[in-house]
Amino acid sequence: SSELTQDPTVSVALGQTVRITCQGDSLRNFYANWYQQKPGQAPVVVIYGKNNRPSGIPDRFSGSTSGNTASLTITGAQAEDVADYYCSSRDSSGNLVVFGGGTKLTFL
Amino acid sequence: QVQLQESGPGLVKPSETLSLTCTVSGGPINSYYWSWIRQPPGKGLEWIGYIYYSGSTNYNPSLKSRVTISLDTSKSQFSLKLRSVTAADTALYYCARRLETLRFGEGYHYYMDVWGKGTTVTVSS
Repeated sequence: SSELTQDPTVSVALGQTVRITCQGDSLRNFYANWYQQKPGQAPVVVIYGKNNRPSGIPDRFSGSTSGNTASLTITGAQAEDVADYYCSSRDSSGNLVVFGGGTKLTFL
Repeated sequence: QVQLQESGPGLVKPSETLSLTCTVSGGPINSYYWSWIRQPPGKGLEWIGYIYYSGSTNYNPSLKSRVTISLDTSKSQFSLKLRSVTAADTALYYCARRLETLRFGEGYHYYMDVWGKGTTVTVSS
């Protein structure tokens, strides 16, 4: 299967830790990348590969994988983290790109 | 730093061909993969396809029969053509650079590290 499944919405209290998950068979073979998309803006990668943050991404963002599930964890969520988060990976062939449906992060 | 800019008609008639161009500035077009991604209003991201600087391509199977991505290295541009459009093709279209990077102990990773701002295309008569 080449599908990636995400919960549509996740809520967190300011300063607390939140985990956003992404499930898919291809994640057994390929790591997920995570993109943050704020309203009216293009997506920005926050985690790629096993747990790598591009320059400029705060260290409160981290990634992990277990079996067919990849997770993005925000430790000490800040107001500016309100956004849609998309996981992405390769399909089982390794040649195609797949996106999850996205998770909207909101504050309680 | 590298910047991408999409351009093309904002309105396309049903059954016609959608044509967009992405201009790459501030860096080379060679040695990278170049992607198109779209986002229908209020919905998630959908990968359309990518082209390698060598000219090899890969497309989303759901769009493959209607899509062509091409590259013009002399102009530092790559383009998207989507044929026989319908209202379902109305979306915000992004171009992006797909970076290949090797991490010790992890192998190769591929992710979109630079995105254009996107351009809205509406399919309507």
